[in-house]
Amino acid sequence: GQNIDQPTEMTATEGAIVQINCTYQTSGFNGLFWYQQHAGEAPTFLSYNVLDGLEEKGRFSSFLSRSKGYSYLLLKELQMKDSASYLCAVRPPYNTDKLIFGTGTRLQVFP
Amino acid sequence: DADVTQTPRNRITKTGKRIMLECSQTKGHDRMYWYRQDPGLGLRLIYYSFDVKDINKGEISDGYSVSRQAQAKFSLSLESAIPNQTALYFCATSDYNQETQYFGPGTRLLVL
Repeated sequence: GQNIDQPTEMTATEGAIVQINCTYQTSGFNGLFWYQQHAGEAPTFLSYNVLDGLEEKGRFSSFLSRSKGYSYLLLKELQMKDSASYLCAVRPPYNTDKLIFGTGTRLQVFP
Repeated sequence: DADVTQTPRNRITKTGKRIMLECSQTKGHDRMYWYRQDPGLGLRLIYYSFDVKDINKGEISDGYSVSRQAQAKFSLSLESAIPNQTALYFCATSDYNQETQYFGPGTRLLVL
């Protein structure tokens, strides 16, 4: 089966850098996704990693280590609008049409 | 216009009532999904469909049914609603290379 762990809540200050970790235990792996979800709104896609290493997209970067079952989302130059939940999701290999979501990390950015 | 739309956006119903949630998309994607989201539990997959003739159960399909009326439409039904089906429901779509799923705005359902 799949088990995905991420912290429930984090806080940070505007302008700072924050790292949100995600660990997964799976019988196989075919990609990891990060989504952002503002309260009461739809999740929106941030990043996708299938190979080890760092993917950078502007202020957001995502890292993956398949051997460690570990990923992180790095948010730089935090802005108030970054206050949201960040969802880690794993795509298992046996059915590439499903995503298994973690419970999400609620990030609050303070001035 | 939004690419993935859901109706209704909010719904209050009573235990035992039948209710249908609808999802439409203009993205031209073959694959569509229904999720529910509950506090502390994250997004859980209810049903998914590869195309009009294909329907698959997700991890929590009991108490739900779906209909794929066309490539662009995927409906979720609660035949006899119960209070623990109170949740936020999301429809999503993806294309065949599946690099991401695109979510609708959600339907907030309250079952009394």
